Amino acid sequence: AQTVTQSQPEMSVQEAETVTLSCTYDTSENNYYLFWYKQPPSRQMILVIRQEAYKQQNATENRFSVNFQKAAKSFSLKISDSQLGDTAMYFCAFTRYGGSNYKLTFGKGTLLTVNP
Amino acid sequence: DADVTQTPRNRITKTGKRIMLECSQTKGHDRMYWYRQDPGLGLRLIYYSFDVKDINKGEISDGYSVSRQAQAKFSLSLESAIPNQTALYFCATSDSPGYEQYFGPGTRLTVT
Repeated sequence: AQTVTQSQPEMSVQEAETVTLSCTYDTSENNYYLFWYKQPPSRQMILVIRQEAYKQQNATENRFSVNFQKAAKSFSLKISDSQLGDTAMYFCAFTRYGGSNYKLTFGKGTLLTVNP
Repeated sequence: DADVTQTPRNRITKTGKRIMLECSQTKGHDRMYWYRQDPGLGLRLIYYSFDVKDINKGEISDGYSVSRQAQAKFSLSLESAIPNQTALYFCATSDSPGYEQYFGPGTRLTVT
């Protein structure tokens, strides 16, 4: 079974600074996808970024980028120029590709607070 | 209008009552999921369905049942609610494996 570990239950950052959230995962699969989801106080789950395991290039979406280290099974999220609206719970998630199992396995989350 | 809707948004019920949470989607996706979120535990999968005739248990299905009434509708039932089922419940849909899951707004359920 796959597991996803987020070792930082809470983090804080000053507005306009950069912060990195950590995520590690355990799998024997070679083909899979990784995601970061954001859950603001509104409780809506919002996709931040997605990475295909077969791609060596790290995904980026505006101020959000990942550092994907496949051998180390590490998938960290970097938020640049942090904004107050980035305050949220962030979840790392994994899904294998192939076969009949397309479920998402989530980490326990990191609560990020952006301070003015 | 939202692509994935859940009703009710909030519900308080008593121990032993039967309750149904409903999910509807307009995205045309075949895959639908029910998750439960508890503080400090992340989201855990209760049930999932890849089409109307294909329903599967997730990691925490005990005490829950589901019904896939149509491609667009997936309901979660608690036959006899207990206090430790107090949680935030999410419905989600997806189109293809590896693509994102689209979440509903969540239902906050409190069992007293």
